[in-house]
Amino acid sequence: QKEVEQDPGPLSVPEGAIVSLNCTYSNSAFQYFMWYRQYSRKGPELLMYTYSSGNKEDGRFTAQVDKSSKYISLFIRDSQPSDSATYLCAPGTGGFKTIFGAGTRLFVKA
Amino acid sequence: NAGVTQTPKFQVLKTGQSMTLQCAQDMNHNSMYWYRQDPGMGLRLIYYSASEGTTDKGEVPNGYNVSRLNKREFSLRLESAAPSQTSVYFCASSLLQGTYEQYFGPGTRLTVT
Repeated sequence: QKEVEQDPGPLSVPEGAIVSLNCTYSNSAFQYFMWYRQYSRKGPELLMYTYSSGNKEDGRFTAQVDKSSKYISLFIRDSQPSDSATYLCAPGTGGFKTIFGAGTRLFVKA
Repeated sequence: NAGVTQTPKFQVLKTGQSMTLQCAQDMNHNSMYWYRQDPGMGLRLIYYSASEGTTDKGEVPNGYNVSRLNKREFSLRLESAAPSQTSVYFCASSLLQGTYEQYFGPGTRLTVT
């Protein structure tokens, strides 16, 4: 079993839709939960990170962590074509152990 | 501010050849990392350097060596390339000793034939 599981997609939605991206993980030691966005043929860039359980909002993006069920979500409101990318969840211990999911490819159609 | 830069962008090697991938950051970060990214497998940590003068193995270090040349530069060396090392290689850095808030370079696409 992989430590972090992500549906690879692709997920295709119309512009303006609400997008839900999800991850599950198995290691209960993870305390930090990151989401990275990766455009085609580019390096990943940090989108959001949260510590422990709860929600964090940043503009159109909301990250949600449920440690009891080991479930991580990223919601994108009013999705735009510029949101088309691969989204990587990356839980970590805060030390040097961060495990990256394989990513979910998102396409937002204009 | 260039952030994290990597050279070369593309490379084709024959089995058994050696090469060094270069990485530099201008953000005065303490920690630097080398990852490889393969389809369906996510990013996997090869080596990291918590601070200048230290290096440690990550998840997949076999076949690689690293050098933290100074605070800015962290190189990855393939001594005898194998087809299994065909991948996209990313260098990253972070201010703090820890893996949250990492900043990634643009990547090096390596093909070993």
